[in-house]
Amino acid sequence: DVVMTQSPLSLPVILGQPASISCRSSQSLMHRDGNTYLSWFHQRPGQSPRRLIYKVSNRDSGVPDRFSGSGSGTDFTLKISGVEAEDVGVYYCMQGTHWAWTFGQGTKVEIK
Amino acid sequence: QVQLVESGGGVVHPGRSVRLSCVASGFTFSNCAMHWVRQTPGQGLEWVAIISYDGANIRYADSVKGRFTISRDDSKSTLYLQMDSLTSEDTGLYYCARDTPGSMDYWGQGTLVSVSS
Repeated sequence: DVVMTQSPLSLPVILGQPASISCRSSQSLMHRDGNTYLSWFHQRPGQSPRRLIYKVSNRDSGVPDRFSGSGSGTDFTLKISGVEAEDVGVYYCMQGTHWAWTFGQGTKVEIK
Repeated sequence: QVQLVESGGGVVHPGRSVRLSCVASGFTFSNCAMHWVRQTPGQGLEWVAIISYDGANIRYADSVKGRFTISRDDSKSTLYLQMDSLTSEDTGLYYCARDTPGSMDYWGQGTLVSVSS
């Protein structure tokens, strides 16, 4: 299976400051159809995951534009331009290019 | 709006079986592939299985292959997961999720399965 490695695993941030999470895959996530199926999810305590980003950089409807995704091949990043209190929780990357689909370990974002 | 509501979880003895259900609403269920994903303390989020919109194509994670069966009843807009030969490693929160190409967009709230003697 493709191994997804996130860093850091814990990210204390100051309100209003930017934050960045890295996600690296053990194989290229470029699909033979030309798309790269890398998604980002946010999970608040006690809630189910909510998708923020799909195909590397496409924001889901209703996701604030302070969230952005980038990357290619095996190296991807989620950036929050200015962290707000509601952004706390755990962020996961997920690849949907190779079976079985796999998730990163999660990055816990908390307010410093 | 899209809603996915799981049920069927509970405490189960090792080696026994349980069937999870996921009732969908707010979209045309019969047009969509669906997934089961579980969240366990040890493994984090783990993709479990997918069934195509017509039920013709099914895939499983190696960890559940031969023990779990995903199915659907479009007349009831319901997704199922039959879980047999359960072990403690199957303990976790089980989510159903709607498929999009290479991803999942909507998730249910989850149903908890605890395998314990």
